[in-house]
Amino acid sequence: EPEVTQTPSHQVTQMGQEVILRCVPISNHLYFYWYRQILGQKVEFLVSFYNNEISEKSEIFDDQFSVERPDGSNFTLKIRSTKLEDSAMYFCASSVTQETQYFGPGTRLLVL
Amino acid sequence: EDKVVQSPLSLVVHEGDTVTLNCSYEVTNFRSLLWYKQEKKAPTFLFMLTSSGIEKKSGRLSSILDKKELFSILNITATQTGDSAIYLCAVGLYNFNKFYFGSGTKLNVKP
Repeated sequence: EPEVTQTPSHQVTQMGQEVILRCVPISNHLYFYWYRQILGQKVEFLVSFYNNEISEKSEIFDDQFSVERPDGSNFTLKIRSTKLEDSAMYFCASSVTQETQYFGPGTRLLVL
Repeated sequence: EDKVVQSPLSLVVHEGDTVTLNCSYEVTNFRSLLWYKQEKKAPTFLFMLTSSGIEKKSGRLSSILDKKELFSILNITATQTGDSAIYLCAVGLYNFNKFYFGSGTKLNVKP
């Protein structure tokens, strides 16, 4: 069964460094999402992406965040200058329609 | 403000019990409500509900939506220890490709 994959599974970085989180969505899916979940807190929507552009973004998704679909398969989330409060689990999800989303296993980001 | 509220926050039951998890929402342009099960990491999809009063069922799990009262319930009958997880509710909006999640209900099923 096809699934969403994410790399790396864990990332430790120093405050102020740039990180790129990578996702490979399910191949026939058209809608892509990034979410984050701070430890012990709710899943929070960051951004949605369709037709090679951002369709929605949350208040969290400020100028330090960006997303790209550099080729036909990868979908990346870049955090330009990480802060301590960016430490969280980051989930990528994809869907055929704007409904049933399939989540990847997540990248646990720790900013020191 | 909280747009999606789940209750209870946590629940401990014994195998064989039936549980009902609640999700209420307050959003404009409601399109759909989704239930997910989150065990160790990624949420896995359970149900999507768009119409009131139509029960969705999968094995021992079932769910229904009330668009007038703005809530949904997820029922699990004959619970098993493998049902132990956090159950998440999310609401999707028309015209906005974004979803709001609740805080989840942590279910612990004891042998």
